[in-house]
This record gives sequence, structure tokens and C-alpha cells, in this order.
Amino acid sequence: KAGVTQTPRYLIKTRGQQVTLSCSPISGHRSVSWYQQTPGQGLQFLFEYFSETQRNKGNFPGRFSGRQFSNSRSEMNVSTLELGDSALYLCASSLGELAHEQFFGPGTRLTVL
Amino acid sequence: AQSVAQPEDQVNVAEGNPLTVKCTYSVSGNPYLFWYVQYPNRGLQFLLKYITGDNLVKGSYGFEAEFNKSQTSFHLKKPSALVSDSALYFCAVRDPYSSASKIIFGSGTRLSIRP
Repeated sequence: KAGVTQTPRYLIKTRGQQVTLSCSPISGHRSVSWYQQTPGQGLQFLFEYFSETQRNKGNFPGRFSGRQFSNSRSEMNVSTLELGDSALYLCASSLGELAHEQFFGPGTRLTVL
Repeated sequence: AQSVAQPEDQVNVAEGNPLTVKCTYSVSGNPYLFWYVQYPNRGLQFLLKYITGDNLVKGSYGFEAEFNKSQTSFHLKKPSALVSDSALYFCAVRDPYSSASKIIFGSGTRLSIRP
């Protein structure tokens, strides 16, 4: 069974631009979560989607948004990029909600110049 | 509000010795607890979870963790460390009874096993 895939793996943008990251969960998984990982802040929760509905949202500004499609694939968008948005963005999928372990993708490394 | 703490940024252990990576949590009810490991330039991998039942949970790669409700802890342990266990370890908690339940990760503990 294929794992969680994230595209692109690496991205370089400049301040003010916007970016869209994509995540394809494991087949049959309906829950997708996004995290931002930085050396200083660790792993910060961004959003969680289940069956196309946003179930939870972390403490990030409105520049960060996401969505989930009917095939469970998910995208996250960051508008008006800032230098501080440089991070590894991780997507995780799980079979359902709550008790299920998450399976993480390799991440997208975003660098904002 | 739920939270999780990993008090040690780094743990150093000699190969063959037992290892412990500490984790404490704070939730209003009974938590769901998880451990994940991250190898360099890779995503996180699930190690084990505690949902209910036996307080001692066994997971992947010979790791185990003990849920201690009175001490609100969920320490990760392994009887005999391997050099290949060197990685970044994250503890995570979810409060299943919260209307806005989400998984919160600790800050991570870097485990270094010396030959």
C-alpha cells in the first residue's frame, strides 16, 4: 500500500508570494492533518480534515488555509508569504478520527527568501 | 487545555544500556497518548499508542511505554539501546472528550546512542 505522498518536496518562494502544497493520503484514509515543523517551535498543528470538513484548526493566521477533496486528498495554501513561514510542512493521514495513529508523509520543505 | 511536555532536549545513552525518554501531559480527562520517531530528512513514524487497557504498551522496534495516570506520564523505554535508535522522538496527546480535540506534539527529544 502506498504511503502518504506530498508534493512538491522542496519549494523556494519570495516574500509576498503564495504557495499551495498538496497531500495524498493512504488509500482508504479519510482524515488528513497538517503540521508545521521548525527548529525553534517544534511541531505545530495547522488543521485537521475529515470527510472534506475541517474539524480542527491550530493557532495560525488566516494566511494559512486548507481544504480536503472528496477523494481525501488535501491542499494547504499560504498567502502573502513571510520569512518566518520557512519550515517543513508535514501532512499526516489516518483511517478515522481520535484514536487512530497517523501516518506521515516526507514533508514539503518551504524556503521563503 | 491539553498540553504535553518533553523535559529533555537530548538524551545520551551507551549502546546496550536501557533508555528512557520522558513525557508528561495535561488533559482534563483520560488521554490518548502516542509516540513517534523522526529520522533525519524523513517524516514521523508511529511507534506506539495508549488508548485504554494495560498501562504497559509495546510498540515497534522493541520500544514500550508505560502510562502512569497519577503522575500524568507516558515515558518511552527500551531495555537495550541500539545505535540505530538515534533519532528525534516526539510524544503526542489527544483529549478525546474535547469538542476541539486535536493531537498536540511535544517539543521532541533527540536520542543519541553511542557505540
